[in-house]
Amino acid sequence: EAGVVQSPRYKIIEKKQPVAFWCNPISGHNTLYWYRQNLGQGPELLIRYENEEAVDDSQLPKDRFSAERLKGVDSTLKIQPAELGDSAVYLCASSSQSETQYFGPGTRLLVL
Amino acid sequence: DQQVKQNSPSLSVQEGRISILNCDYTNSMFDYFLWYKKYPAEGPTFLISISSIKDKNEDGRFTVFLNKSAKHLSLHIVPSQPGDSAVYFCAASDQGGSEKLVFGKGTKLTVNP
Repeated sequence: EAGVVQSPRYKIIEKKQPVAFWCNPISGHNTLYWYRQNLGQGPELLIRYENEEAVDDSQLPKDRFSAERLKGVDSTLKIQPAELGDSAVYLCASSSQSETQYFGPGTRLLVL
Repeated sequence: DQQVKQNSPSLSVQEGRISILNCDYTNSMFDYFLWYKKYPAEGPTFLISISSIKDKNEDGRFTVFLNKSAKHLSLHIVPSQPGDSAVYFCAASDQGGSEKLVFGKGTKLTVNP
């Protein structure tokens, strides 16, 4: 069974530029999560989807971050415009109901 | 305010010995706890979990102990192997499952041959 797929794996951009990350969850997993992991820290939840509905986006900085999960499968996380402090690893995870979360390899973002 | 704390940034043990990784939490509403392992350039991988109704859960070489009164849990790896070298994250949830996880900062374990 294929795991959670994320792309790109690495991204380098200049500040004020937009950037987007893509996630394809494990087949059949209705719950999808986006996390941000800063250097030396644990992952922090940004947004959680149940199918196509964002059920918890309380930690998503809505002034510059947006996310969507059309058709309840793939998801995209966007930052516009990016700031230096957005440099981090962005992790996507998926699960079936409230079962174990499975993580993708992450996208490492560097904002210059 | 960090709700899940892993106070040891790193731990080094000899192959074959026991590795003990510790985790403390402050939120008494947490009722489900997990350990994840992370290799460089990979995402975290689920290792073992424990519900607050238990005080011990074992899976092969891995055992998690939960002390609710002390708000403390630990992961024991016996015997430790070089392939266990990774960063270990403790995570907790107040939802009874894995829906809303709060992670610690992680402990880097190095198992020396």
